[in-house]
Amino acid sequence: KQEVTQIPAALSVPEGENLVLNCSFTDSAIYNLQWFRQDPGKGLTSLLLIQSSQREQTSGRLNASLDKSSGRSTLYIAASQPGDSATYLCAVRSRGGSEKLVFGKGTKLTVNP
Amino acid sequence: GAGVSQTPSNKVTEKGKYVELRCDPISGHTALYWYRQSLGQGPEFLIYFQGTGAADDSGLPNDRFFAVRPEGSVSTLKIQRTERGDSAVYLCASSLGTTYNEQFFGPGTRLTVL
Repeated sequence: KQEVTQIPAALSVPEGENLVLNCSFTDSAIYNLQWFRQDPGKGLTSLLLIQSSQREQTSGRLNASLDKSSGRSTLYIAASQPGDSATYLCAVRSRGGSEKLVFGKGTKLTVNP
Repeated sequence: GAGVSQTPSNKVTEKGKYVELRCDPISGHTALYWYRQSLGQGPEFLIYFQGTGAADDSGLPNDRFFAVRPEGSVSTLKIQRTERGDSAVYLCASSLGTTYNEQFFGPGTRLTVL
C-alpha cells in the first residue's frame, strides 16, 4: 500500500528566503507525482506534474525534483513571498491499475513579511 | 466551464438525513474523481469514473455512500443516513483520462453533519 509522507508539517520563513519542501513515498512504482497548493478553505491548485521518466519540472519560482528509486521528491521555492503562504501537498499515482492519487498530509508554509 | 465546479459550497445537515453533492468537471475531461478531506489531513480517494462507469470505488467507506455519472459529465455523490463522522470537505477532480494526465480540482463542498 502506497504511503506518502511530507516533512516538515509546518514551516515559517522570512520573505525572500529560498526553501525546500520534502515528500517521500514508500512504493517507487509510480506513474507520476503532482504538487498542489491549498489556501485555507479552498480547493487544490495544481502546481507541477512530474512523470516517472522525468527528473524535474520548473514553473516560475518553483522547481520540483523526483528521485523515483529512493522514493523522494522535493519542491524548491525561490525568493519566497508572503503570497506563497499556503499548505503544499504532494500526491502520487501508483502503477497497478488505479488512477487514484495518494496524498501526504501537507506542509503548511508561512512566509513572513 | 473554465474549471471544475462543485455545488453547494457548504452543506449543513442533521444526522440521519440524505445529502447529494454535485460536481461539474472541465469540459472534455473523461475521468472524474471524488476525494474526502478531513481537517489537517490530505485528501483521501473515494471513487473514480472513466466515462459513465465507476472504474474504482474502493475508497467508498461503506454502502451509505454512492456516486453516479449517468451521462459521462456531471457526477453526484450521494450519502444516505449521514453520520457526524461524515463531516469533511468533499473534493471533486477531473482529468483528460489517461494515466499521465494532471488532475484538476474543484473548490470542494464542506459538509457538516450536526
